[in-house]
Amino acid sequence: NAGVTQTPKFQVLKTGQSMTLQCAQDMNHEYMSWYRQDPGMGLRLIHYSVGAGITDQGEVPNGYNVSRSTTEDFPLRLLSAAPSQTSVYFCASSSERDSLYEQYFGPGTRLTVT
Amino acid sequence: AQKVTQAQTEISVVEKEDVTLDCVYETRDTTYYLFWYKQPPSGELVFLIRRNSFDEQNEISGRYSWNFQKSTSSFNFTITASQVVDSAVYFCALSRDGYNKLIFGAGTRLAVHP
Repeated sequence: NAGVTQTPKFQVLKTGQSMTLQCAQDMNHEYMSWYRQDPGMGLRLIHYSVGAGITDQGEVPNGYNVSRSTTEDFPLRLLSAAPSQTSVYFCASSSERDSLYEQYFGPGTRLTVT
Repeated sequence: AQKVTQAQTEISVVEKEDVTLDCVYETRDTTYYLFWYKQPPSGELVFLIRRNSFDEQNEISGRYSWNFQKSTSSFNFTITASQVVDSAVYFCALSRDGYNKLIFGAGTRLAVHP
């Protein structure tokens, strides 16, 4: 199993540009989430999904869109990038069937908006 | 509202010292789950433990131990005989359902010096 994969690893955007951060998992997990990590603030939940076709907002959803058309993929779209969106983005997946009850995190995408 | 506080921003110790990382949480739920994650300098998030609110038994795993006290809403993490490889940022997190929507503390950066 590859686990949770994220692409790209690094990205630089100009203010106003749009882009999609990709996240995929091969563990057939029903739950997937996006978090952003900023210095001194820990990780904050952006959006999450409890299954294909079902998404909801987390703590800091403004400026981001998500969709979940398949169990495996959960892309995060930045509609019009702003410097405040400079951050490290982590995708995570989990399942009620997992005996360890672990949230599996991807390696992260470091995004800089200039 | 749910909240996790890690009051120690940075801790510096010398190898072989014991160190305790504090975590205080707030929730009105009677059922909840607490987590600890490690983020080494390489940046990935490593799952350490998940504990539910009905299980107040202390947990020990090698040099790591966790003390859960509902009376003080704390879930502290102790590393015994610290090693340089323990140098990382450690996050405490809280979840209502145990699988999803984690609320993270700001993290504690631990530096272990030889």
